[in-house]
Amino acid sequence: KQEVTQIPAALSVPEGENLVLNCSFTDSAIYNLQWFRQDPGKGLTSLLLIQSSQREQTSGRLNASLDKSSGRSTLYIAASQPGDSATYLCAVRGYNTDKLIFGTGTRLQVFP
Amino acid sequence: SQTIHQWPATLVQPVGSPLSLECTVEGTSNPNLYWYRQAAGRGLQLLFYSVGIGQISSEVPQNLSASRPQDRQFILSSKKLLLSDSGFYLCAWSEDGINEQYFGPGTRLTVT
Repeated sequence: KQEVTQIPAALSVPEGENLVLNCSFTDSAIYNLQWFRQDPGKGLTSLLLIQSSQREQTSGRLNASLDKSSGRSTLYIAASQPGDSATYLCAVRGYNTDKLIFGTGTRLQVFP
Repeated sequence: SQTIHQWPATLVQPVGSPLSLECTVEGTSNPNLYWYRQAAGRGLQLLFYSVGIGQISSEVPQNLSASRPQDRQFILSSKKLLLSDSGFYLCAWSEDGINEQYFGPGTRLTVT
């Protein structure tokens, strides 16, 4: 059974720092991995999707990497800003399934 | 561009009352549709998904049901709500079931 873990559960940093959020999964047979952002009381915003054949994806100040063999993905946020404050969720999809398995998230606070 | 709507945004219902939450998607045809629940202290859990009109797959046994009466409409229902049905309900769509999922703004349900 696939399990997804995100560490740390919460993170508080000053503005301008570069950050790394971690996502681990127990079954390396994944089709893809998706990173989301969730603001309090809101839905999820898709940030990046990495296919199993890819090593990384970049969007602006965000870079996500995938090491399938070790069951790990990292989300790198460069030059963090207060507007980056949110909960970040990763989710994995296995083969032949629609189902996303979510981690419990990392709550990020960036203070001025 | 595609847009996903959910209503109502918030709902407070007594135990034993019925429930109907609606989700609609604009700007695409024949999407895969999903209902998730996010309960306090727990991760996102897939409840139902649908690959076409009238086709519903249930992920977990529960007090809820889903229906897809039209191509871009997905409804979550219950005949009698339980306290444990409280949570944040999110609808999502995907073009093909294997790539990105896009989420709606969610419905906060409190059962009293």
